[in-house]
Amino acid sequence: AQRVTQPEKLLSVFKGAPVELKCNYSYSGSPELFWYVQYSRQRLQLLLRHISRESIKGFTADLNKGETSFHLKKPFAQEEDSAMYYCALTGTQGAQKLVFGQGTRLTINP
Amino acid sequence: DTGVSQNPRHKITKRGQNVTFRCDPISEHNRLYWYRQTLGQGPEFLTYFQNEAQLEKSRLLSDRFSAERPKGSFSTLEIQRTEQGDSAMYLCASSLAGAIEQFFGPGTRLTVL
Repeated sequence: AQRVTQPEKLLSVFKGAPVELKCNYSYSGSPELFWYVQYSRQRLQLLLRHISRESIKGFTADLNKGETSFHLKKPFAQEEDSAMYYCALTGTQGAQKLVFGQGTRLTINP
Repeated sequence: DTGVSQNPRHKITKRGQNVTFRCDPISEHNRLYWYRQTLGQGPEFLTYFQNEAQLEKSRLLSDRFSAERPKGSFSTLEIQRTEQGDSAMYLCASSLAGAIEQFFGPGTRLTVL
């Protein structure tokens, strides 16, 4: 079964502190992994994808196939990072529909 | 705005009524997806079109739900005989076939009284 688990519904850290949003997945095969973000009153948008191996807005995510994890990290949180974050996966064939986790609401305190 | 658009943005209806939502994808995108998001959950896949063909439907999509994309451009999602459990945000996304990134619309929030 395809499943994405984000164990933390809420995460609150202080500005300048490191941030780690956890994501674990189950999938038979080799999925594509993503992090989507939704800022207040904005639409859902792609933050980053594992295949790109890039850093967006200071965020990085490493795919650990052994632990089936794709945790999102940022060394120094900023207030504008406050948002809802969703981890998602898709297969590489067929519909390529996205399977989302429940989401983590990140709050950065000043 | 050249992004995905959805109308209406909000819909309040009484139980038993029919509702229809519209999604206009990014113009060159041939794939179109519908997702549903209930409070406290991530979006869940409902159905997907490639051009005008509906190629996959989730088990979440009961017989009361029907989606169309008649000319391979905009899509409609109709819910017949709405139930309170249908209250949710309905999201539309589009992409190019072969491109992995999906672009989301703002959603239609449905409230069934």
